[in-house]
Amino acid sequence: QKEVEQNSGPLSVPEGAIASLNCTYSDRGSQSFFWYRQYSGKSPELIMSIYSNGDKEDGRFTAQLNKASQYVSLLIRDSQPSDSATYLCAVNSASGGSYIPTFGRGTSLIVHP
Amino acid sequence: NAGVTQTPKFQVLKTGQSMTLQCAQDMNHNSMYWYRQDPGMGLRLIYYSASEGTTDKGEVPNGYNVSRLNKREFSLRLESAAPSQTSVYFCASSESRVGEQFFGPGTRLTVL
Repeated sequence: QKEVEQNSGPLSVPEGAIASLNCTYSDRGSQSFFWYRQYSGKSPELIMSIYSNGDKEDGRFTAQLNKASQYVSLLIRDSQPSDSATYLCAVNSASGGSYIPTFGRGTSLIVHP
Repeated sequence: NAGVTQTPKFQVLKTGQSMTLQCAQDMNHNSMYWYRQDPGMGLRLIYYSASEGTTDKGEVPNGYNVSRLNKREFSLRLESAAPSQTSVYFCASSESRVGEQFFGPGTRLTVL
């Protein structure tokens, strides 16, 4: 069973601070890594994708991947109350000739004014 | 461009009833997925279709069947609903097997 682990939180940060979300995964052969944001009662929406080791920046968001240590993280700079949501880490791993996406249980982020 | 659409949005069933959840995407994506989401459990993969004409089991396939009707449509069927199938169901699609997924709005299903 391939596993993706996240701290369930809640992670509480003040407005304007940096929020750091972490995720570890069990399958060393994992190929692609994603962060989704899910507001309460809504469907997940893609925030970041990362495929190779290192950092990837998009606006206030930075995804970091370290395949040797099997972790992927998401940094949110200048956090806003509108960033309050659950953040899901997802990993695609090879399985029987295809690729299976596995999601973590999500980290709840609260940004307070 | 509607993205991924799901019907119905809400459904209440009695134990033993059957129903089909419909999903369609207009992005010409090859891969499609069905998930269920329960409180504290995250998204769990029920079935997926890597490409038109293929379907495979995910993590929690028991009690469900799927049909990849064509490239656009992927349906999920509950033959004999059970209270344990009360959940929110999401359909998703992706251009490739390793790519990012785009989700539909979800179906909230209650089985009494």
